[in-house]
Amino acid sequence: AQSVTQPDIHITVSEGASLELRCNYSYGATPYLFWYVQSPGQGLQLLLKYFSGDTLVQGIKGFEAEFKRSQSSFNLRKPSVHWSDAAEYFCAVGGQTGANNLFFGTGTRLTVIP
Amino acid sequence: DVKVTQSSRYLVKRTGEKVFLECVQDMDHENMFWYRQDPGLGLRLIYFSYDVKMKEKGDIPEGYSVSREKKERFSLILESASTNQTSMYLCASSLPITRGAFFGQGTRLTVV
Repeated sequence: AQSVTQPDIHITVSEGASLELRCNYSYGATPYLFWYVQSPGQGLQLLLKYFSGDTLVQGIKGFEAEFKRSQSSFNLRKPSVHWSDAAEYFCAVGGQTGANNLFFGTGTRLTVIP
Repeated sequence: DVKVTQSSRYLVKRTGEKVFLECVQDMDHENMFWYRQDPGLGLRLIYFSYDVKMKEKGDIPEGYSVSREKKERFSLILESASTNQTSMYLCASSLPITRGAFFGQGTRLTVV
């Protein structure tokens, strides 16, 4: 069965510092992988996605993620965090044959300190 | 831009009431979803629909039903609201899921 693990519930970084949010997945086939961001009181916005090709994918707002099949990971990174990046981040997996839905991790809340 | 609109941002209902949450998307997407979001639990899929009048149960369908009479509209129904259904409800739509899903702003439902 598919599942997504985000091991960090809450991360605090200083503005300007680099960021890495971890995501591990369990999936029976080639996964389709996504990162979403949710600002307080808002819906989810798609940051980036991977389903084939180059394992390093670029997204919006300066984010990138790297797919590592050997580690079953899809970690999100940003070289320099801005205060406006404070939000909750969700990793998701989907695309199993015969299904057409997404499975989400429990999220990582990011706090940015000045 | 894709727009997914949920009819209410905030709702307060009484225990036992029948509650309707409405969702409309404007991009002719075939797939629509209802998720429930609770702290520490992430998003859990209640139901999804891949075509008009078609629906599939997600992980937590108990106490909920759905209706999709038109392609652009997907309704979530709480047959008899209970306090444990107090939550944030998120609607989403997509073409094939490989393209990612687009979410509405969410409805925060409180059942008292």
